[in-house]
Formats: sequence, C-alpha cells, structure tokens
Amino acid sequence: GQNIDQPTEMTATEGAIVQINCTYQTSGFNGLFWYQQHAGEAPTFLSYNVLDGLEEKGRFSSFLSRSKGYSYLLLKELQMKDSASYLCAVVSSASKIIFGSGTRLSIRP
Amino acid sequence: DAGITQSPRYKITETGRQVTLMCHQTWSHSYMFWYRQDLGHGLRLIYYSAAADITDKGEVPDGYVVSRSKTENFPLTLESATRSQTSVYFCASSDGGVNSPLHFGNGTRLTVT
Repeated sequence: GQNIDQPTEMTATEGAIVQINCTYQTSGFNGLFWYQQHAGEAPTFLSYNVLDGLEEKGRFSSFLSRSKGYSYLLLKELQMKDSASYLCAVVSSASKIIFGSGTRLSIRP
Repeated sequence: DAGITQSPRYKITETGRQVTLMCHQTWSHSYMFWYRQDLGHGLRLIYYSAAADITDKGEVPDGYVVSRSKTENFPLTLESATRSQTSVYFCASSDGGVNSPLHFGNGTRLTVT
C-alpha cells in the first residue's frame, strides 16, 4: 500500500527553527516534493528531492533519505507569514504523485 | 495573464445533478491533473492527462469523467453528484511530467446538497 505520514499540527515561535518530518511507504520512489499551502489558497512548490541529502533554498531546506523512507523540511528564521500547511508528496514508481495529509504550522509571536 | 485558472470558484448543486468544473492553462504544459482536497485526506488524485486525448485514472476516479481535446483545457465532470463529492477541487499542470513541480489553480469549492 501507499502511505505518507506527517504530523498533523505543529507550533513554533517567530525567529526560531522548525523541522517538519515526512515518512513514506510507497510502491517505488521517483522523487519527493514539498509544497506550502496557505489557508484558502492553492499549494505552491517549495522543493524537490530525488537523491539523498540536503537541498537548501534560502530559509528553507529539505532533506531526503531514501533508505529510511524519510524526509524533512527545515524552516529557519521563522516569520509570521510561514503560518501555513506544508504538504509532502512522493512520486511512486508508477509515476503517480501521492500527497500526505499535510502539517499545519502555526507561528506565535 | 498567463497561468492556470479554474471556474467556477464556488458551486452549490443538488444530489444527482451533472456538474462540470473547468480548468484552463496558458503555459502549454503537457501534463494536467485533477485533485480533490478533504480534511484528513490531503490531496487525492482523481484523473490526470499526459497530453491531449490521453487521460488516466488516479486514486479516486469513480463518479468523475474527464476529457482533454485541447492541450489547454481539462474539464472535470461529475456525472451524478453525490454528497460525498463535496470537496475543494484543484486543477494543476506541469511541463515535465510527474517529476516537475505542479502549478495549481485557485480551486473550486463544490458543495453537493
């Protein structure tokens, strides 16, 4: 079966660092995406990992370990505008994109 | 303006009615997708299309029909709407298939009464 797990909710403080984890069990693996979705809006692309390791893009970084079926999204210097849901999505060997249920991140001042 | 647009933004319909949700993109992307988003389930793939006249089922295709006669349009039809199809529907496109980022439309919030 296909399964992607993320924490449902997280809270962090403005200016701090937060790590959002994603574990997956899918039929094969062809890449992993992270998307950000503000309430009432469409998801927008954040990052893509297909090889093991860390990809850094400004305040956001994404890490992948294929052997562990694990990824995380790291957000640094948190800002209030980072309050959103973060969606982990895996591309299976059948070339299907499977989304996790998302992690709702709340930032407090 | 270039982009991907969905219409309508909001729709209320009755059980048993046929409803069509429209999706139009101006990027000439080959791939287009339809997702539904429900609390607790995240985004689930309904149908996708790799090119004009090529469509394939996703995770939850039952009760839905799609067509892709032109590259830029990918309408989704609910043949006989049911309450369980109340959801937010997102259309998306990508230029390089499933390993390229998806560009999402703003969504259609559908309520079936």
